Amino acid sequence: DGGITQSPKYLFRKEGQNVTLSCEQNLNHDAMYWYRQDPGQGLRLIYYSQIVNDFQKGDIAEGYSVSREKKESFPLTVTSAQKNPTAFYLCASSSLGGNNQPQHFGDGTRLSIL
Amino acid sequence: GQQVMQIPQYQHVQEGEDFTTYCNSSTTLSNIQWYKQRPGGHPVFLIQLVKSGEVKKQKRLTFQFGEAKKNSSLHITATQTTDVGTYFCAGKAGGTSYGKLTFGQGTILTVHP
Repeated sequence: DGGITQSPKYLFRKEGQNVTLSCEQNLNHDAMYWYRQDPGQGLRLIYYSQIVNDFQKGDIAEGYSVSREKKESFPLTVTSAQKNPTAFYLCASSSLGGNNQPQHFGDGTRLSIL
Repeated sequence: GQQVMQIPQYQHVQEGEDFTTYCNSSTTLSNIQWYKQRPGGHPVFLIQLVKSGEVKKQKRLTFQFGEAKKNSSLHITATQTTDVGTYFCAGKAGGTSYGKLTFGQGTILTVHP
């Protein structure tokens, strides 16, 4: 079954620690995205990538880093520089054909601070 | 930068009542998408509107795109408990990077049986 897999589902971070959230898709989509969801603020774009080995900052990239070494994988690292990392993180992917293709989302990773 | 505002933030209705959420953009949009997120779930694509003044229907859901392509609405007729969730609009401004969407804050719909 095609889809997007995010892991882990829950993650806890200690102060000063970097953590990496995994996102894998088997939809053969070119574009991948990372969003942060906080209550009452909708989805905010952290980073996105339209092609392997290339990515762009979104609206709230500070304190985060990504890589796109393979088409199907787009991991997000939450660094210690991100002072308020507690949130629900959603990964999405889309094809790049036509006007604007729908985004398909994973089940998300909920990150909390210990 | 582009902003997409969505109102209301919360809406509580009795089952059978109608529901509408509104989306307004600070800039002209090339298209707008709507998503639904069930409690504890992830957003799921509902529909995309592209043309000025476009109206699309999906069973009890009616989606509209304004003439100026700066606003949109989602109307649900005779809500059911299965309609519970958060509804997001997401717009793409003309000239922005391919596929990059700006999401509204969402409207959380509660339906009381």
